[in-house]
Amino acid sequence: GAGVSQSPSNKVTEKGKDVELRCDPISGHTALYWYRQRLGQGLEFLIYFQGNSAPDKSGLPSDRFSAERTGESVSTLTIQRTQQEDSAVYLCASSLRVGGNQPQHFGDGTRLSIL
Amino acid sequence: DAKTTQPPSMDCAEGRAANLPCNHSTISGNEYVYWYRQIHSQGPQYIIHGLKNNETNEMASLIITEDRKSSTLILPHATLRDTAVYYCIVFRGGGSNYKLTFGKGTLLTVNP
Repeated sequence: GAGVSQSPSNKVTEKGKDVELRCDPISGHTALYWYRQRLGQGLEFLIYFQGNSAPDKSGLPSDRFSAERTGESVSTLTIQRTQQEDSAVYLCASSLRVGGNQPQHFGDGTRLSIL
Repeated sequence: DAKTTQPPSMDCAEGRAANLPCNHSTISGNEYVYWYRQIHSQGPQYIIHGLKNNETNEMASLIITEDRKSSTLILPHATLRDTAVYYCIVFRGGGSNYKLTFGKGTLLTVNP
C-alpha cells in the first residue's frame, strides 16, 4: 500500500531480550517520527529524522533505546535489554517535510509486550 | 503549541452530520489546526488541517472561526466506521516544533 508500514505488528518477548522495530515510511517523505503510546495514554515523542539524520533524540527514554534511518527510507528502532515498562505500542509517522503545513501520517504501530 | 479543549464524548446517528467542536483560544498566527482520529488498535489517522480558511477533503470539512479561537470538524454523513476518538491539535511545526501532542480528544459514537 501507499501508507506507512510497520513490522512486526505484534511482538512478545522476554525481559532482557533485544528487539528491533521497523518502519517503512511513505515513499518520498523526508521526515520520519517515532512515538510511543502506553495503554490508555497519549502519544510520547521519541525521536525524529530529517533525511538520515536525527536532530533531536531527546525523547528516547534511556540509552537502551536507539534508532537509525538509511537511504532516507526505512528506519529501525532498537530496544536493548527490554524491561516491562517498555511494553507499549510503538508508532511511526512520516511527512513530506518538517513543517506546520506537513501532515504526519501514521502506521498502525508495533504492539510490544515484555513478559 | 496552544492547548485545545474538546468535549469528552458525543453521539451521532448514522447518516447524519457529526459536528465536533474544538476550542483553541490561545492559538498563535502561525499555528495550524489539525484533526486526527484513532480507532481502537489502529494508529492515528490524519483527517484534515487548516490555518485560516475553511477546508474540505474527501473525509471531512474543517470550519475555523474568523478569530481562529475555535473550529469545528464536520463529518457530513457519519457511518458506524466513524466511531473513534477524534483529536484536535494545534501545531506550528518547523524549527523545534515537530512533535504532535494529542490531548484526550472526543469519543464520537455513531449509533445505528
